[in-house]
Amino acid sequence: EIVLTQSPGTLSLSPGERATLSCRASQSVSSTYLAWYQQKPGQAPRLLMYGASIRATGIPDRFSGSGSGTDFTLTVNRLEPEDFAVYYCQQYVISPITFGQGTRLEIK
Amino acid sequence: QVHLQESGPGLVKPSGTLSLTCAVSGGSISNSNWWSWVRQPPGKGLEWIGEINHSWTTNYNPSLKSRVTMSVDKSNNQFSLKLNSVTAADTAVYYCARRPISCSGGTCTPDYWGQGTLVTVSS
Repeated sequence: EIVLTQSPGTLSLSPGERATLSCRASQSVSSTYLAWYQQKPGQAPRLLMYGASIRATGIPDRFSGSGSGTDFTLTVNRLEPEDFAVYYCQQYVISPITFGQGTRLEIK
Repeated sequence: QVHLQESGPGLVKPSGTLSLTCAVSGGSISNSNWWSWVRQPPGKGLEWIGEINHSWTTNYNPSLKSRVTMSVDKSNNQFSLKLNSVTAADTAVYYCARRPISCSGGTCTPDYWGQGTLVTVSS
């Protein structure tokens, strides 16, 4: 099973700042099969990025993804109040599909 | 627009069987998708349980495989999850989700999700 480790566990920033979230895999993951999700309290996860860097439908361009091999990054530019949530990376190249433990992005 | 809705008992006794159904609307369950289950214990992260397609092909998480059964009901456009021998550790919000089978450009990740349903295991 591929283990995904996200850092930091919690990120405290102010609106307008840039957030950089990291996801490290226990073995190499094709960037084609790396996704990011956003989850707000009481809601289902929402697909943000797939293929490591492709925004899902309706996702604003302040969200961007990058990375390859074992290291992937989600960047959120110019944080808006609605961006404060928990973010999960996920790999879907090898079964079982696995998720990182999440990064909580909170308002400073 | 695909819509998924979970349903089932919110309380299950220890050693019993958790049974959930996910109704699919806005698309046919016979289309080329995997129909997935993901769970989230209160205050914790996401765990993929497994998936099934319209041909009844399944992929289960090895950690749960011995206790999980998934099925598809084409006539009612829904799919189901059964998890037996439950304990308190199975208390979680259970989500159903659609995962496209076609993986062109990496699109084969869960894209549409139900709102989730909380299942508590307690006597």
